[in-house]
Amino acid sequence: NAGVTQTPKFRILKIGQSMTLQCAQDMNHNYMYWYRQDPGMGLKLIYYSVGAGITDKGEVPNGYNVSRSTTEDFPLRLELAAPSQTSVYFCASSSATGTVNYGYTFGSGTRLTVV
Amino acid sequence: KNEVEQSPQNLTAQEGEFITINCSYSVGISALHWLQQHPGGGIVSLFMLSSGKKKHGRLIATINIQEKHSSLHITASHPRDSAVYICAVRFRLTGNQFYFGTGTSLTVIP
Repeated sequence: NAGVTQTPKFRILKIGQSMTLQCAQDMNHNYMYWYRQDPGMGLKLIYYSVGAGITDKGEVPNGYNVSRSTTEDFPLRLELAAPSQTSVYFCASSSATGTVNYGYTFGSGTRLTVV
Repeated sequence: KNEVEQSPQNLTAQEGEFITINCSYSVGISALHWLQQHPGGGIVSLFMLSSGKKKHGRLIATINIQEKHSSLHITASHPRDSAVYICAVRFRLTGNQFYFGTGTSLTVIP
Protein backbone atom coordinates (compact mmCIF):
# COMPACT_ATOMS: atom_id res chain seq x y z
CA ASN A 1 0.00 0.00 0.00
CA ALA A 2 1.18 3.51 -0.78
CA GLY A 3 2.09 5.59 2.21
CA VAL A 4 4.79 6.37 4.72
CA THR A 5 6.91 3.51 6.03
CA GLN A 6 8.79 3.87 9.29
CA THR A 7 11.29 1.44 10.73
CA PRO A 8 11.87 0.14 13.32
CA LYS A 9 8.56 0.05 15.22
CA PHE A 10 10.25 -0.40 18.60
CA ARG A 11 13.79 0.13 19.84
CA ILE A 12 15.58 0.21 23.16
CA LEU A 13 18.83 2.18 23.24
CA LYS A 14 21.40 2.60 25.95
CA ILE A 15 22.49 6.09 26.94
CA GLY A 16 25.16 7.33 24.55
CA GLN A 17 24.29 4.96 21.71
CA SER A 18 23.32 6.23 18.28
CA MET A 19 20.69 5.09 15.84
CA THR A 20 18.86 6.10 12.69
CA LEU A 21 15.09 6.04 12.34
CA GLN A 22 14.15 5.32 8.76
CA CYS A 23 11.27 6.96 6.90
CA ALA A 24 10.28 6.39 3.29
CA GLN A 25 7.27 7.55 1.26
CA ASP A 26 6.17 6.48 -2.20
CA MET A 27 3.67 9.25 -2.95
CA ASN A 28 6.21 11.66 -4.49
CA HIS A 29 5.51 14.15 -1.70
CA ASN A 30 7.88 17.09 -1.52
CA TYR A 31 7.34 17.82 2.17
CA MET A 32 8.45 15.45 4.93
CA TYR A 33 8.43 15.88 8.71
CA TRP A 34 9.67 14.26 11.88
CA TYR A 35 7.63 14.65 15.07
CA ARG A 36 7.96 13.34 18.57
CA GLN A 37 5.03 12.64 20.85
CA ASP A 38 5.53 12.59 24.60
CA PRO A 39 2.81 11.41 27.03
CA GLY A 40 0.22 14.15 27.64
CA MET A 41 1.88 16.50 25.18
CA GLY A 42 1.09 17.57 21.66
CA LEU A 43 3.23 16.46 18.74
CA LYS A 44 6.40 18.52 18.46
CA LEU A 45 8.19 19.11 15.17
CA ILE A 46 11.84 18.04 15.19
CA TYR A 47 12.92 18.66 11.58
CA TYR A 48 11.24 19.06 8.25
CA SER A 49 12.20 19.09 4.59
CA VAL A 50 10.57 20.86 1.65
CA GLY A 51 12.40 18.80 -0.95
CA ALA A 52 15.51 16.77 -1.68
CA GLY A 53 18.61 18.50 -0.35
CA ILE A 54 16.66 20.97 1.82
CA THR A 55 16.06 20.53 5.53
CA ASP A 56 15.18 22.89 8.36
CA LYS A 57 14.84 22.82 12.12
CA GLY A 58 11.52 22.57 13.85
CA GLU A 59 10.60 23.29 17.42
CA VAL A 60 12.80 20.65 19.16
CA PRO A 61 15.84 19.83 16.96
CA ASN A 62 18.54 19.46 19.62
CA GLY A 63 20.09 16.00 19.72
CA TYR A 64 18.88 15.05 16.23
CA ASN A 65 20.08 15.30 12.65
CA VAL A 66 18.38 14.66 9.32
CA SER A 67 19.26 14.38 5.67
CA ARG A 68 17.16 14.33 2.50
CA SER A 69 19.19 12.97 -0.38
CA THR A 70 16.14 11.71 -2.27
CA THR A 71 12.47 12.68 -2.45
CA GLU A 72 11.50 9.31 -0.97
CA ASP A 73 13.72 9.05 2.12
CA PHE A 74 14.05 11.21 5.22
CA PRO A 75 16.07 9.47 7.95
CA LEU A 76 16.35 10.87 11.48
CA ARG A 77 19.65 10.36 13.27
CA LEU A 78 20.02 10.31 17.05
CA GLU A 79 23.56 10.84 18.23
CA LEU A 80 24.47 10.14 21.87
CA ALA A 81 21.01 9.03 22.96
CA ALA A 82 19.69 10.49 26.23
CA PRO A 83 16.72 9.46 28.42
CA SER A 84 14.97 12.70 27.39
CA GLN A 85 14.73 11.27 23.87
CA THR A 86 12.45 8.48 25.05
CA SER A 87 9.34 9.13 23.00
CA VAL A 88 7.20 7.99 20.11
CA TYR A 89 8.49 9.31 16.80
CA PHE A 90 6.29 9.90 13.78
CA CYS A 91 7.34 10.64 10.25
CA ALA A 92 4.84 12.37 7.95
CA SER A 93 4.66 13.67 4.42
CA SER A 94 2.51 16.06 2.42
CA SER A 95 2.39 17.27 -1.14
CA ALA A 96 2.30 20.96 -0.27
CA THR A 97 1.80 23.42 2.54
CA GLY A 98 0.99 26.38 0.38
CA THR A 99 -2.64 25.36 0.18
CA VAL A 100 -4.96 24.17 2.90
CA ASN A 101 -6.27 21.29 0.85
CA TYR A 102 -3.47 18.83 1.44
CA GLY A 103 -3.49 16.76 4.57
CA TYR A 104 -0.59 14.80 5.95
CA THR A 105 0.14 11.09 5.67
CA PHE A 106 1.72 9.67 8.81
CA GLY A 107 3.89 6.65 9.37
CA SER A 108 2.91 4.16 12.05
CA GLY A 109 5.44 5.47 14.55
CA THR A 110 8.60 4.29 16.30
CA ARG A 111 8.52 3.78 20.05
CA LEU A 112 12.00 4.54 21.36
CA THR A 113 13.16 3.95 24.92
CA VAL A 114 16.57 5.16 26.12
CA VAL A 115 17.81 3.46 29.28
CA LYS B 1 2.55 33.34 22.35
CA ASN B 2 1.57 30.52 19.99
CA GLU B 3 -0.94 28.39 21.87
CA VAL B 4 -3.47 25.75 20.90
CA GLU B 5 -6.04 24.61 23.42
CA GLN B 6 -8.54 21.80 23.07
CA SER B 7 -11.63 21.02 25.08
CA PRO B 8 -12.77 18.85 26.58
CA GLN B 9 -9.69 16.80 27.42
CA ASN B 10 -11.78 13.64 27.76
CA LEU B 11 -15.24 12.87 26.46
CA THR B 12 -17.50 9.85 26.89
CA ALA B 13 -20.62 9.54 24.77
CA GLN B 14 -23.35 7.03 24.11
CA GLU B 15 -23.54 5.55 20.64
CA GLY B 16 -25.64 7.75 18.39
CA GLU B 17 -24.93 11.01 20.21
CA PHE B 18 -23.83 14.19 18.45
CA ILE B 19 -20.31 15.09 19.55
CA THR B 20 -18.47 18.41 19.51
CA ILE B 21 -14.77 18.88 20.15
CA ASN B 22 -13.38 22.39 20.40
CA CYS B 23 -10.07 24.00 19.49
CA SER B 24 -9.01 27.56 20.34
CA TYR B 25 -5.85 29.33 19.38
CA SER B 26 -4.12 32.49 20.43
CA VAL B 27 -3.12 34.44 17.30
CA GLY B 28 -3.87 34.56 13.59
CA ILE B 29 -3.45 31.39 11.58
CA SER B 30 -3.06 30.39 7.94
CA ALA B 31 -4.41 26.85 8.36
CA LEU B 32 -5.98 24.53 10.90
CA HIS B 33 -5.63 20.74 10.83
CA TRP B 34 -7.80 18.11 12.51
CA LEU B 35 -6.31 14.66 13.00
CA GLN B 36 -7.42 11.39 14.52
CA GLN B 37 -5.10 9.12 16.52
CA HIS B 38 -6.32 5.56 16.82
CA PRO B 39 -5.96 3.55 20.04
CA GLY B 40 -3.09 1.67 18.39
CA GLY B 41 -1.24 4.95 17.84
CA GLY B 42 -1.71 5.52 14.13
CA ILE B 43 -2.50 9.10 13.06
CA VAL B 44 -4.83 10.03 10.23
CA SER B 45 -5.34 13.48 8.76
CA LEU B 46 -9.07 14.36 8.77
CA PHE B 47 -9.38 17.95 7.59
CA MET B 48 -7.26 20.93 6.79
CA LEU B 49 -9.10 24.24 6.53
CA SER B 50 -8.61 27.98 6.69
CA SER B 51 -12.22 29.20 6.63
CA GLY B 52 -15.82 28.04 6.66
CA LYS B 53 -16.74 24.41 6.92
CA LYS B 54 -15.73 21.02 5.57
CA LYS B 55 -17.68 17.75 5.71
CA HIS B 56 -16.64 14.17 5.18
CA GLY B 57 -19.14 11.46 5.99
CA ARG B 58 -20.26 11.93 9.59
CA LEU B 59 -17.48 14.39 10.37
CA ILE B 60 -17.87 18.15 10.07
CA ALA B 61 -15.18 20.73 10.79
CA THR B 62 -15.92 24.42 11.16
CA ILE B 63 -13.70 27.39 11.80
CA ASN B 64 -14.44 30.93 12.96
CA ILE B 65 -11.44 33.08 12.14
CA GLN B 66 -12.67 36.13 14.07
CA GLU B 67 -13.21 34.13 17.25
CA LYS B 68 -10.03 32.04 16.74
CA HIS B 69 -11.99 28.86 17.24
CA SER B 70 -12.70 25.63 15.43
CA SER B 71 -15.04 22.74 16.15
CA LEU B 72 -15.05 19.14 15.04
CA HIS B 73 -18.49 17.54 15.06
CA ILE B 74 -19.32 13.85 14.80
CA THR B 75 -22.89 12.96 13.97
CA ALA B 76 -24.45 9.61 14.91
CA SER B 77 -21.35 8.60 16.86
CA HIS B 78 -20.21 4.98 16.83
CA PRO B 79 -17.79 3.01 19.03
CA ARG B 80 -15.33 2.93 16.13
CA ASP B 81 -15.08 6.74 16.47
CA SER B 82 -13.30 6.19 19.81
CA ALA B 83 -9.90 7.82 19.37
CA VAL B 84 -7.90 10.90 20.28
CA TYR B 85 -8.78 13.91 18.13
CA ILE B 86 -5.98 16.40 17.66
CA CYS B 87 -6.13 20.01 16.49
CA ALA B 88 -3.06 21.66 14.98
CA VAL B 89 -2.63 25.19 13.68
CA ARG B 90 -0.16 26.93 11.42
CA PHE B 91 0.30 30.44 12.77
CA ARG B 92 0.62 33.15 10.17
CA LEU B 93 3.99 34.30 11.47
CA THR B 94 5.68 30.91 11.94
CA GLY B 95 6.00 29.69 8.36
CA ASN B 96 5.44 26.04 7.60
CA GLN B 97 5.26 24.69 11.12
CA PHE B 98 2.08 23.33 12.73
CA TYR B 99 1.58 23.56 16.48
CA PHE B 100 -0.41 20.74 18.03
CA GLY B 101 -2.92 20.62 20.84
CA THR B 102 -2.76 17.83 23.39
CA GLY B 103 -5.85 16.12 21.99
CA THR B 104 -9.34 15.15 23.10
CA SER B 105 -9.79 11.51 24.05
CA LEU B 106 -13.21 10.31 22.89
CA THR B 107 -14.84 7.09 24.04
CA VAL B 108 -18.16 6.08 22.48
CA ILE B 109 -20.03 3.46 24.47
CA PRO B 110 -22.35 1.01 22.69
